[in-house]
Amino acid sequence: NAGVTQTPKFRILKIGQSMTLQCTQDMNHNYMYWYRQDPGMGLKLIYYSVGAGITDKGEVPNGYNVSRSTTEDFPLRLELAAPSQTSVYFCASEGLDTIYFGEGSWLTVV
Amino acid sequence: DAKTTQPNSMESNEEEPVHLPCNHSTISGTDYIHWYRQLPSQGPEYVIHGLTSNVNNRMASLAIAEDRKSSTLILHRATLRDAAVYYCILRDGGTYKYIFGTGTRLKVLA
Repeated sequence: NAGVTQTPKFRILKIGQSMTLQCTQDMNHNYMYWYRQDPGMGLKLIYYSVGAGITDKGEVPNGYNVSRSTTEDFPLRLELAAPSQTSVYFCASEGLDTIYFGEGSWLTVV
Repeated sequence: DAKTTQPNSMESNEEEPVHLPCNHSTISGTDYIHWYRQLPSQGPEYVIHGLTSNVNNRMASLAIAEDRKSSTLILHRATLRDAAVYYCILRDGGTYKYIFGTGTRLKVLA
């Protein structure tokens, strides 16, 4: 049972670099989410999607972009990485009133 | 987005019941009350959810106040494996956004 798969698990970026966090789910869920979690804090919603081709901003979208070309994939793009984007990123999908989270991607910007 | 308020931390003895409170005074009629928990270095996992009536499952019970402005997650017999951060979340019934708060860190004493 794959569920929600995120890659990479760990990444170190230099200030100003760009990267994409990949997320894929095999449960045919329409709703998908990206959250970030800073040390000792709760989760903050970055972007979410209610289906292929439809995305919307969450609480903290600045510095990020998303796309949803298929039901399965919901990549998160970081443009011009900044130290403030050092965080753990969780991708999730929702089905039958339950959110399923990936294992997280630890990102450090130096 | 409606907000939730939870105590920062709670302690319980092993094998005893635990009552985790949550206030959501600005809840709307279409908001579902969800509970998730997060073990260290893991993504959150589903615990239970409800709309108006009390709910039970194998993990816990959810007691919802009649006016829906508060709820309580009940763990009937706490174990050491229940030590986690517990999040009370309101799922926006219109947009399907899940907004996490800071959660309650539960410590279970042996």
